[in-house]
Amino acid sequence: KAGVTQTPRYLIKTRGQQVTLSCSPISGHRSVSWYQQTPGQGLQFLFEYFSETQRNKGNFPGRFSGRQFSNSRSEMNVSTLELGDSALYLCASSSLRGGPSEQYFGPGTRLTVT
Amino acid sequence: GQQVMQIPQYQHVQEGEDFTTYCNSSTTLSNIQWYKQRPGGHPVFLIQLVKSGEVKKQKRLTFQFGEAKKNSSLHITATQTTDVGTYFCAISSGNTGKLIFGQGTTLQVKP
Repeated sequence: KAGVTQTPRYLIKTRGQQVTLSCSPISGHRSVSWYQQTPGQGLQFLFEYFSETQRNKGNFPGRFSGRQFSNSRSEMNVSTLELGDSALYLCASSSLRGGPSEQYFGPGTRLTVT
Repeated sequence: GQQVMQIPQYQHVQEGEDFTTYCNSSTTLSNIQWYKQRPGGHPVFLIQLVKSGEVKKQKRLTFQFGEAKKNSSLHITATQTTDVGTYFCAISSGNTGKLIFGQGTTLQVKP
């Protein structure tokens, strides 16, 4: 099985711009979660999508949004970028069959905001 | 909301020494997961614990879930340079894909 893929892997943006990141989960996984990782705050949950519906949302401003398509692929969007948005954005997929289960993480998108 | 505290933040050991990281919660947990992230990499699932007092082993790694299901530990026996990385505990929110991560313990191993 192919793993979780994320594109792009690296991105440099300017303050005020917006960005869209993409995630393709493992085939058959319907749950896709997004995390932000920074040295100061660690791994923080952004949101989770399941069957095209946002099921959970973390404590992030409304500038962070996402969606999931019928093939389970997911995108997240950050508008009006701020310097503090520089981070590694990780997406993870899981099957959730039978309860909480392991999450498979993608390689991440490294976003730098200048 | 739920939180999990992980200690220590950093640990430097000589190759061959043992290593332990701990996770603690003020509330009873339904389960706890452990992940390892190598430098420059992404988190990789190691194990999930669900039962009170559960102990699971993976070669030199031993995972424990406390009797009260409020704490967990990961112990590595005779560390090797391949054990370098950050170890995270994480708790799930119901039957969803939401994970709440501990702060992580970064392990450095001197050869």
